[in-house]
Amino acid sequence: QMQLQQSGPGLVKPSEALSLNCSVSGGSLKGNYLTWIRQPPGKALEWIGYFYYTGSTNYNPSLRSRVTISADTSKSQFSLRLNSVTAADTAVYYCARGRVLLNLWGQGTTVTVSS
Amino acid sequence: DIQVTQSPSTLSASVGDRVTITCRTSQSINRWLAWYQQKPGKAPKLLIYDASNLESGVPSRFSGSGSGTEFTLTISSLQPDDFATYYCQEYNNYSFGGGTKVEIK
Repeated sequence: QMQLQQSGPGLVKPSEALSLNCSVSGGSLKGNYLTWIRQPPGKALEWIGYFYYTGSTNYNPSLRSRVTISADTSKSQFSLRLNSVTAADTAVYYCARGRVLLNLWGQGTTVTVSS
Repeated sequence: DIQVTQSPSTLSASVGDRVTITCRTSQSINRWLAWYQQKPGKAPKLLIYDASNLESGVPSRFSGSGSGTEFTLTISSLQPDDFATYYCQEYNNYSFGGGTKVEIK
């Protein structure tokens, strides 16, 4: 049964890049969309973007200039990179399977942007 | 951009109550809407997709309806496990609503 396991630092300095990984086990990236979602403290969910195994991506317009979602099929891992972070990027970040119908989620990673 | 508005933002109810949450979009999205349940400290869980289709394993007390710009999530008889925050998501632009917290009255 497919599982998603997230990893990455919980603390990032302002102006630096946030990098998170989502490892896929019990399944394959092939045929799947993989999405990143975030949730600032006490706030609603925000869609960041998705990656399709063919390499195509789609990003939230509000983040497009700073975000990259990519995958390493040899490692069954996909990644989120968000550049030039500020305190407003402090959130719990989730990876999830799907483009819509997000029916499998990672455990979430709390990322705090602070010096 | 499609704006997604949920109401109410907070709902106080008792076990056994019938609960209805509304989601409105700023333009028609046909039936391209999903509902999620989120409990504190946990990832969201998919409940409903395509406005009214129940995800596998989700109790039948949950139901969804609507099309165009107005949608509802109904819990027919609220159970203790249902106290949570609920989000709708449209899947033209993938925007989420602001959430509805269902709390104990």
